[in-house]
Amino acid sequence: GAVVSQHPSRVICKSGTSVKIECRSLDFQATTMFWYRQFPKQSLMLMATSNEGSKATYEQGVEKDKFLINHASLTLSTLTVTSAHPEDSSFYICSAPPGQGHLGEQFFGPGTRLTVL
Amino acid sequence: QKEVEQNSGPLSVPEGAIASLNCTYSDRGSQSFFWYRQYSGKSPELIMFIYSNGDKEDGRFTAQLNKASQYVSLLIRDSQPSDSATYLCAVNTGTASKLTFGTGTRLQVTL
Repeated sequence: GAVVSQHPSRVICKSGTSVKIECRSLDFQATTMFWYRQFPKQSLMLMATSNEGSKATYEQGVEKDKFLINHASLTLSTLTVTSAHPEDSSFYICSAPPGQGHLGEQFFGPGTRLTVL
Repeated sequence: QKEVEQNSGPLSVPEGAIASLNCTYSDRGSQSFFWYRQYSGKSPELIMFIYSNGDKEDGRFTAQLNKASQYVSLLIRDSQPSDSATYLCAVNTGTASKLTFGTGTRLQVTL
């Protein structure tokens, strides 16, 4: 089956620093990847759609200058949280639709737990 | 009105019983429907998807879809303690692979 990895799995940083999270599709190519954020006891909220070779599409209310997305290859998308603050502490999860999957089907990475002190 | 609604629970069922999880959605143009299971601190894992009205069975799991009522459900037969998790309903409206998630229902299977 389709495997999506994320790195790091957990990161703790000081307020004001930037954090980069990588999302890789290991056994398939992903022209599109999705980035979600999940706060405790809440559901997944789509932040942006990452498109290989073009600009990401951000959901309403998500600051594109704060959450930088780069989809430089067919297997890698990165999310950089710039000037992170405690309110950015959350569980960040990426996903990718498999190449031959059904419309809407997505495989999720294991997630990255970000804690900003 | 939320686009995808689920009862947050917790839904408590005894081991061996049938757990019934429900989800309603607002967009009549929705085309595909997914159930994900999420353990605490983990990312979601796909359990089932359904596109057509009716039932779809996979092992102990049965997904039911009623597009006229805008309702999708997940039945878990012979519930096990390992089924205790949050179950997320997700809906695709046909915009590429974009999904809209419900808030999830927490299921507790008791011994």
